[in-house]
Amino acid sequence: QSALTQPASVSGSPGQSITISCTGTSSDVGGYNYVSWYQQHPGKAPKLMIYDVSNRPSGVSNRFSGSKSGNTASLTISGLQAEDEADYYCSSYTSSSTLEVFGGGTKLTVL
Amino acid sequence: EVQLVESGGGLVQPGGSLRLSCAASGFTFSSYWMSWVRQAPGKGLEWVANIKQDGSEKYYVDSVKGRFTISRDNAKNSLYLQMNSLRAEDTAVYYCARGRSGYYPYWGQGTLVTVSS
Repeated sequence: QSALTQPASVSGSPGQSITISCTGTSSDVGGYNYVSWYQQHPGKAPKLMIYDVSNRPSGVSNRFSGSKSGNTASLTISGLQAEDEADYYCSSYTSSSTLEVFGGGTKLTVL
Repeated sequence: EVQLVESGGGLVQPGGSLRLSCAASGFTFSSYWMSWVRQAPGKGLEWVANIKQDGSEKYYVDSVKGRFTISRDNAKNSLYLQMNSLRAEDTAVYYCARGRSGYYPYWGQGTLVTVSS
């Protein structure tokens, strides 16, 4: 069982918007602004899409945005494109002995 | 261009050892925390260990404490992971990544470690 909870799958049609949630506790997501989101295509290394809750690295489309409310962080993808179909993982720093945790991952299907 | 290239993966029997290496280029290696993150087949990501710029601080996930050792050689721009007493549940692709605390802007391509008899 992953420390951060994500939905197993989400789907949307091209052009639509989707949101992926990432629920933790006050010891991780809720306690720190160190939440990141990663996109992973099959057989590839993860790619950083969002860091520090809502910051986008250079080169990442502004269709990707992040936010947080309480113990839940969210990744929103607007204007869905076929190339967005991938697995998405959230991560957070945690005050537990684990130090950092990932979510179980969410498979995004673009219909 | 930042590059991280892992090597050293392979098939090993339970109880065996393996040493992974990560060759870094394109940035000042000695200025960054470095980490190992793994992914079991068909599963999610799991942080394994990280190491401070000068090697003075090292942290591990509980499941590998006492069995894995992270180290670095700043003169060789290289990161290492010595894995002892390997178990079937250590089977995974191991990624070298620059950064820590969930912030990994750069990753290697990964190296597969399979623990099986």
